[in-house]
This record gives sequence, structure tokens and C-alpha cells, in this order.
Amino acid sequence: DAKTTQPTSMDCAEGRAANLPCNHSTISGNEYVYWYRQIHSQGPQYIIHGLKNNETNEMASLIITEDRKSSTLILPHATLRDTAVYYCIVRVPSGGYQKVTFGTGTKLQVIP
Amino acid sequence: EPEVTQTPSHQVTQMGQEVILRCVPISNHLYFYWYRQILGQKVEFLVSFYNNEISEKSEIFDDQFSVERPDGSNFTLKIRSTKLEDSAMYFCASSDLGLQSSYEQYFGPGTRLTVT
Repeated sequence: DAKTTQPTSMDCAEGRAANLPCNHSTISGNEYVYWYRQIHSQGPQYIIHGLKNNETNEMASLIITEDRKSSTLILPHATLRDTAVYYCIVRVPSGGYQKVTFGTGTKLQVIP
Repeated sequence: EPEVTQTPSHQVTQMGQEVILRCVPISNHLYFYWYRQILGQKVEFLVSFYNNEISEKSEIFDDQFSVERPDGSNFTLKIRSTKLEDSAMYFCASSDLGLQSSYEQYFGPGTRLTVT
């Protein structure tokens, strides 16, 4: 699996967009970028994933650079409930089981 | 929306005792997992389970641990003789057979295990 680098922590004002960066400069051509988050004391939650095109769902947007060496998770209007640790994970998806290997992630604090 | 459920939410046990943590995965999922998180540390993979057998296990998952799917809905983690260092949050997760979505695991709320 390609290694990822994320800032340890970030703050964001409530109602503003939260932009969480992830560096994955050693990503290979068939590896996807996945984002999970963990709200305090809860189970991790899948957010979004992508290969090379930008992706959007009801929770967030994922912007992947053209060279695929970095990506940004965007929460368009952060709320206090978005305060959590956000994990960027790079992995080749395949049929069948796949363990999720969590790093230390970015601790996002949304400030009122 | 379907969800993974876990019971109990908090379990306190004495060192050396056996504990069973229970999980009900999402009904049409085929792959099941246990993870743990010691307070203040990363979420760590323990074991994955498919077709009634272990697919992969980590170094943490030693002979003191076992998993079972006793019926069509429950998935359990047993710790035979608990140690103080087993104190952690234990998360169950499940996923389906999809290709691109196979990394989209759904996690339960966790069971906090406290060993005294």
C-alpha cells in the first residue's frame, strides 16, 4: 500500500468549507484513494473514494490532482458534528475481504 | 439505513475471565471483521472472516482470541483469558462482495472492554 501523509490537526470555522489534504506521492496506477473518519468514541465511517476523477457524494467531495500524488477531501459546509479524525488511505480494491489499515489521520476541530 | 450493531456497549471483566463480544453485521454482507483501538492509539485490524473461516489475522490475534458466526446473523469475538492489555474499544465491521466498493466497510459503534 502506498504511504500517505496528513497534517496532524486542523481547525475550521463552522459553516465554512473544510479542506483536508493528503499526500500520496508513491501511489501506483491502480491504487484508489479512500477517506474514512472517526468521530470521538464511535466506529470509523466510510466517506468517499476515487481513482483519478473528482468525486462527490452527499457527505463530501474528493479532489485528486492530475498526477495523483495528492488529494483533498472537502466538507463544503462544516458543522460541529464533523469534528473527527479523518483518515486518508490508499489501496488497490479487489473483490473479497480487505482490511482497512488506519494511520494517525488528521484531527479536524470545527469551531463555532 | 442498515447498520452494524454491537453488544454490549461496555463490558467490565476481571483478568483471566473469558468474554464474548457480539456483533450483528449488515444482513447481506459476506465479509466480517474485528478491529480494536486502545485508548489514544490507532484502530488496529484483528481478523477478517468469510465463508465461515478466517481469511486473515494480525499478530495481535493470538490463541487467546477466536471468532465465530454461530447463526445466520451474529458474529462473535471471544477472548479466552483476558489480560489488562486487552482493555480497548472493539469494533466489528462488515462489507459486501462489490469490487470497487469492497473497501467500503461499515463499522459498528464498538464495545468498550475494561479488564481489571
